[in-house]
Amino acid sequence: AQSVAQPEDQVNVAEGNPLTVKCTYSVSGNPYLFWYVQYPNRGLQFLLKYITGDNLVKGSYGFEAEFNKSQTSFHLKKPSALVSDSALYFCAVNPWETGANNLFFGTGTRLTVIP
Amino acid sequence: EAGVTQFPSHSVIEKGQTVTLRCDPISGHDNLYWYRRVMGKEIKFLLHFVKESKQDESGMPNNRFLAERTGGTYSTLKVQPAELEDSGVYFCASSQADRGTEQYFGPGTRLTVT
Repeated sequence: AQSVAQPEDQVNVAEGNPLTVKCTYSVSGNPYLFWYVQYPNRGLQFLLKYITGDNLVKGSYGFEAEFNKSQTSFHLKKPSALVSDSALYFCAVNPWETGANNLFFGTGTRLTVIP
Repeated sequence: EAGVTQFPSHSVIEKGQTVTLRCDPISGHDNLYWYRRVMGKEIKFLLHFVKESKQDESGMPNNRFLAERTGGTYSTLKVQPAELEDSGVYFCASSQADRGTEQYFGPGTRLTVT
């Protein structure tokens, strides 16, 4: 069965400090990997994706993510957190080699950036 | 460009009643997806349309759920009769192509069944 784990329900970080939101997955083959962010009363917004190539992927709002195939991880990072980054973050995978087009999501991690 | 829209934003109904959720995808997006998030849990896939055809409905929980996509444009998701465990946030997403392309999500419909 396909699964995505976000081991931390909540991450707190001080403004200006680096942040990491963790994601690991257990999925067949070589899935496509995504990060989405949800602000209050809004839909999920696409941040970045990994399809192939360089293991470090850069996305919107200064975020980046590092793909590690051996650890089946795709951690989200940002060098310097902003208060406006406070939101709910979801990791998602698409196990396309199984024929699936849909996304499998983690349970989400709430990021709070403290001023 | 207008994003994905969903209606209503909230719905509170009693057990046994019927509710219909609507999703309008981004214009020109052939792929439309429905997902559901039950409180505090992961977002789960329900089904996938390509134009008006159901490509994958493996995530539909049971036959109380009926999804349609008229003419390949907007989609509706009907729950009849609603049960308590149907409560959650229902998200719609659309994409231009299928695998590998990002999906654009609507704000969701929060359904509460009492």
